[in-house]
Amino acid sequence: KAGVTQTPRYLIKTRGQQVTLSCSPISGHRSVSWYQQTPGQGLQFLFEYFSETQRNKGNFPGRFSGRQFSNSRSEMNVSTLELGDSALYLCASSSRLGTDTQYFGPGTRLTVL
Amino acid sequence: DQQVKQNSPSLSVQEGRISILNCDYTNSMFDYFLWYKKYPAEGPTFLISISSIKDKNEDGRFTVFLNKSAKHLSLHIVPSQPGDSAVYFCAADASGAGSYQLTFGKGTKLSVIP
Repeated sequence: KAGVTQTPRYLIKTRGQQVTLSCSPISGHRSVSWYQQTPGQGLQFLFEYFSETQRNKGNFPGRFSGRQFSNSRSEMNVSTLELGDSALYLCASSSRLGTDTQYFGPGTRLTVL
Repeated sequence: DQQVKQNSPSLSVQEGRISILNCDYTNSMFDYFLWYKKYPAEGPTFLISISSIKDKNEDGRFTVFLNKSAKHLSLHIVPSQPGDSAVYFCAADASGAGSYQLTFGKGTKLSVIP
């Protein structure tokens, strides 16, 4: 089975712009979660989607949003980018709702200048 | 307020010896605990997990111990190998309470010296 794929792998944006990141889960997995990793805060949960519905949401401002498509692929959008949004954004897929052995993708490294 | 804490940012161990990575948590609702390993430029890889109804889970060279009363868990790697050098993250969720989001510690960088 192919693993979780994320595109793009690297991205550079400027303050005020918006960005969309993409995640393709493992085939057959219906749950997709997004995490932000920064040196200061570590890995923090953003949100989880299951069957196109957001099931859980972390403590992030409304500038962070996401969606899931009928094929389970997911996108994450960040609007009005701030310098502090520079981070590694990780996507994880699971065969069912929950954290039961989530499989992570390699991440998208976002740099905001 | 960090609910999952890994107080040692780094750990160095000789090859063949035991590596012990520690993790403390504060949220008593957590009932499922996982360890992930992360190499540079890769996403975290699931290593081993333990449910709160158990106090030990073993998988090959990896054993996780859970002490619920102390809200403490540890990962033992025996024997340690150079390929084990990576950042290890402890994570927890409260799935029994309907919370399916992982809360991570900040990680411990393990270096296994040949």
